[in-house]
Amino acid sequence: DQQVKQNSPSLSVQEGRISILNCDYTNSMFDYFLWYKKYPAEGPTFLISISSIKDKNEDGRFTVFLNKSAKHLSLHIVPSQPGDSAVYFCAALSGSGNTGKLIFGQGTTLQVKP
Amino acid sequence: EAGVAQSPRYKIIEKRQSVAFWCNPISGHATLYWYQQILGQGPKLLIQFQNNGVVDDSQLPKDRFSAERLKGVDSTLKIQPAKLEDSAVYLCASSLEARQPQHFGDGTRLSIL
Repeated sequence: DQQVKQNSPSLSVQEGRISILNCDYTNSMFDYFLWYKKYPAEGPTFLISISSIKDKNEDGRFTVFLNKSAKHLSLHIVPSQPGDSAVYFCAALSGSGNTGKLIFGQGTTLQVKP
Repeated sequence: EAGVAQSPRYKIIEKRQSVAFWCNPISGHATLYWYQQILGQGPKLLIQFQNNGVVDDSQLPKDRFSAERLKGVDSTLKIQPAKLEDSAVYLCASSLEARQPQHFGDGTRLSIL
């Protein structure tokens, strides 16, 4: 049962253009979402997060949008740079109190072409 | 700030052997996690510690996997005996508190022959 899904395994964009990575979830109880970036042979690096009480969070070139009614979130990267080429994971935070399990999607490989 | 440290980076063993991984979290982080990432999938939580106590081990295959976090700092994850399907990257993460962004180490890539 895949509770967090990234349906696009890969995405290729031109340098300077916008990259849009999508993520869908099934559990309406999820209240916090995160995006991680992963380079080969390295661990995931936290990128940006959003609480379910918001519909948008922005940090420099990165913006995450949340549509709760559609159970959908997206990560926008503007402008895209070759150094952004990596695997991007969407994750939902499950649990309450002292529990904080991240449930990850399968990842989307982004390639930014110079 | 030093990141999450893991060792070894790579390990190759035969099935039915045992193996152990070590993790040193970011200083001051109370919560520590072990994840398993199989090729082509996202990481999956195995166990979560709050200080030196287990908070969630519901997805840990307890017949072969064990983990401990002595003194609420370093942690070890052990597999005994290993099976072919245990081939994966084992990631350690830590956070200041539960439900805070988790910071990951570079992982240990385990190959079972």
